[in-house]
Amino acid sequence: AQSVTQLGSHVSVSEGALVLLRCNYSSSVPPYLFWYVQYPNQGLQLLLKYTSAATLVKGINGFEAEFKKSETSFHLTKPSAHMSDAAEYFCAVSLNTGANSKLTFGKGITLSVRP
Amino acid sequence: DTGVSQNPRHKITKRGQNVTFRCDPISEHNRLYWYRQTLGQGPEFLTYFQNEAQLEKSRLLSDRFSAERPKGSFSTLEIQRTEQGDSAMYLCASSPRGSSLNEQFFGPGTRLTVL
Repeated sequence: AQSVTQLGSHVSVSEGALVLLRCNYSSSVPPYLFWYVQYPNQGLQLLLKYTSAATLVKGINGFEAEFKKSETSFHLTKPSAHMSDAAEYFCAVSLNTGANSKLTFGKGITLSVRP
Repeated sequence: DTGVSQNPRHKITKRGQNVTFRCDPISEHNRLYWYRQTLGQGPEFLTYFQNEAQLEKSRLLSDRFSAERPKGSFSTLEIQRTEQGDSAMYLCASSPRGSSLNEQFFGPGTRLTVL
């Protein structure tokens, strides 16, 4: 079984400030980890994914995340926030077994960016 | 546009009515997933198809829910005797044949409102 914990439901930063969105996971086998972004009334767009290659993963729109096995974490960061980054962000985990690859999502974090 | 498409985008129905949603995955993606997302929550897995075979169903999928994927192409999700608790966004995702990365591509979703 696998699960994801995203602490806090809302993060607010100033434009140009560092973005840090936290994600901790639980998995009985080595996981695949994902960050998705969702804009209002839209589906989910993949930001980046960890698939047991490099532990520091770079994604689209300047986001990156670091897989830390010892901390069971996969936090999302961006050095400088932009107004267009305001959205909801979901961390997700799936099993690295080749079987059903369903995603298990966290509850999501709403990111607000202040001018 | 060659992404995942879902129809309708919005559906308002009265309690007790039946509704059907359609998902067209990315061409040649053999895996198809349905998720449900309620307000303030992350998506939750409902069911999974590999080609035309429905390989897993969540306990969330009550007897009033049924999904099909005839011929392994598009999929339909039907809800019979809708209840107010069925109000949610229903998301479809697809994944390419032979993918070992479990990456899923999401459609824009169908938002269901049960009055």
